[in-house]
Amino acid sequence: QVQLVHSGAEVKKPGSSVKVSCKASGGTFSSCAINWVRQAPGQGLEWMGTIIPIFGTANYAQTFQGRVTITADESTSTAYMELSSLRSEDTAVYYCAREYLADGLPSGPFDYWGQGTLVTVSS
Amino acid sequence: QLVLTQSPSASASLGASVKLTCTLSSGHSRYTIAWHQQQPQKGPQYLMKVNSDGSHRKGDGIPDRFSGSSSGAERHLTISSLQSEDEADYYCQTWGTGIRVFGGGTKLTVL
Repeated sequence: QVQLVHSGAEVKKPGSSVKVSCKASGGTFSSCAINWVRQAPGQGLEWMGTIIPIFGTANYAQTFQGRVTITADESTSTAYMELSSLRSEDTAVYYCAREYLADGLPSGPFDYWGQGTLVTVSS
Repeated sequence: QLVLTQSPSASASLGASVKLTCTLSSGHSRYTIAWHQQQPQKGPQYLMKVNSDGSHRKGDGIPDRFSGSSSGAERHLTISSLQSEDEADYYCQTWGTGIRVFGGGTKLTVL
């Protein structure tokens, strides 16, 4: 059974950076893409970006371009999301979600989700 | 621009059925979408994907009470025999080259 396990909650100061991890198990890391999605308190889901670990290529939502970096370590089946220049509006739960590859390309649906990491930005 | 539109709220009685709708933006009516459920204080869970022809494929362990359908640019999620644990937020999601999009979500209340 596929499981995505997040790192623990973080409290950060405005202007700093945060790096959240997501470790995959029970499936083949090389046959998926990992997406990052955030949810501010009381709000909906917002896609941030995706990475295909076997290619190491990432692409980002325009909203986060220049502020987010998504990486992956195939040897540990772990994906990372780093967000810089944090502000109070970045306070949110950050989720990773798996997207299966079909013929080497992301297939679309996010079929497994992690439990999320709460990031609080406060002075 | 690829946009998904959902009604903010819906309600139905325990044991009844409810049909939630997700509408694709103009020019995107043939896109496949996925439905996700988010119960209170939990992370999202994948329910199914729904194709433009109405065919759908559910995720692991999703009960038969959940089904999908399509009509034009609308994609539907029908939940029958509503149970209290179905009270949740429901999000639709779609994708294009280099982009992933969520609808605003529908909060379902089970009366």
